[in-house]
Amino acid sequence: QKEVEQDPGPLSVPEGAIVSLNCTYSNSAFQYFMWYRQYSRKGPELLMYTYSSGNKEDGRFTAQVDKSSKYISLFIRDSQPSDSATYLCAMTYSSASKIIFGSGTRLSIRP
Amino acid sequence: EADIYQTPRYLVIGTGKKITLECSQTMGHDKMYWYQQDPGMELHLIHYSYGVNSTEKGDLSSESTVSRIRTEHFPLTLESARPSHTSQYLCASSEPGNEKLFFGSGTQLSVL
Repeated sequence: QKEVEQDPGPLSVPEGAIVSLNCTYSNSAFQYFMWYRQYSRKGPELLMYTYSSGNKEDGRFTAQVDKSSKYISLFIRDSQPSDSATYLCAMTYSSASKIIFGSGTRLSIRP
Repeated sequence: EADIYQTPRYLVIGTGKKITLECSQTMGHDKMYWYQQDPGMELHLIHYSYGVNSTEKGDLSSESTVSRIRTEHFPLTLESARPSHTSQYLCASSEPGNEKLFFGSGTQLSVL
């Protein structure tokens, strides 16, 4: 069983929709949770970073962490065609530990 | 502008050739990493370095080697390329005590 599970998609939604991307994990020791966005033929870029449980909002993006359920989410409001990309969740125990990545969800926003 | 650079972006090469993938960063980060990424798959850590003259193997068994003679430079070398090495190779860096990775644009390697 993988430590981090992520639905690969592809997920296609109309412009303006609210998008929900999710990851589940098995190791309760994870403390740091991240979402990376990767455009085609580019490297991943850090989108959201959360420590422990709770919500974090940045513009149209909201990251949620539910440690009791071992479940993290990324919400995108008012989705735009420019949000079309692959979204990777990632997590780790500490700054000195290996970062575990999900396999990514491919998202397409239809104009 | 502080950034992380990878060259070449694309490389098509024949079996048995020696290749070096270049990675340089101008952010002054001590920690650097090499990841391998196949379509629809997780990023797999193949090498990392916590500073000059420090290199470690990651989780994914790899026939590649790395060196870290200068803080800003972390090249990856394959002595004899094989078709199984075909993949995207991503270089990343981070600050000490920081989990946030900064990635380069990657090198797409195809070995024929």
